[in-house]
Amino acid sequence: QLVLTQSPSASASLGASVKLTCTLSSGHITYAIAWHQQQPQKGPRYLMSLNNDGSHTKGDGIPDRFSGSSSGAERFLTISSLQSEDEADYYCQTWGTNWVFGGGTKLTVL
Amino acid sequence: EVQLLESGGGLVQPGGSLRLSCVASGFTFSSYAMGWVRQPPGKGLEWVSGISGSGDSTFYADFVKGRFTISRDNSQNTLFLQMNSLRAEDTAVYYCAKGSSSGPGGFDCWGQGTLVTVSS
Repeated sequence: QLVLTQSPSASASLGASVKLTCTLSSGHITYAIAWHQQQPQKGPRYLMSLNNDGSHTKGDGIPDRFSGSSSGAERFLTISSLQSEDEADYYCQTWGTNWVFGGGTKLTVL
Repeated sequence: EVQLLESGGGLVQPGGSLRLSCVASGFTFSSYAMGWVRQPPGKGLEWVSGISGSGDSTFYADFVKGRFTISRDNSQNTLFLQMNSLRAEDTAVYYCAKGSSSGPGGFDCWGQGTLVTVSS
């Protein structure tokens, strides 16, 4: 079964960097994913698509501070120079015969 | 600019029906799969249903199979979700999302959402 696993929460200081992880289920480790951001009281926003080789395509207007990488079954979203507006929920998403979302990671900027 | 605008949400009694619409603009609608994703109050995103660009293939999450029907009118750039036999647990904000290809793939644009409340 295609499943995405995310840690429920993460935190980092203003101006620092943070690396969020999304893990693909066994048997699906070559799948591409997409990352989405949801700021408080807002709808989701597409950040990027991320392939298993680490190549990624960002959405329009997504700052260079956001980048993606991959290692095995893990897909990463790194946010550098954290700003207060980066405090949000981050979801990974993948697809096979259906679409699947991870449970989301709530990022707190300290 | 790609835009998705949902409508049709509201308050409905358990067992009732509702039809959501999503009007798309700024891209060749028929070339892309589309989907519906919901978010129950205080919870994460849940994929609900998807449809291929041509409309020939439809996909449903198990929890809506047999109750919800997705469709599209490519001549009107509009996506629909017919929701029947609604339950309290269907209460959520429903988002329309654009796929990145004609079949299943990442979503690369989101609507603003429409709230569906199922309550007596």
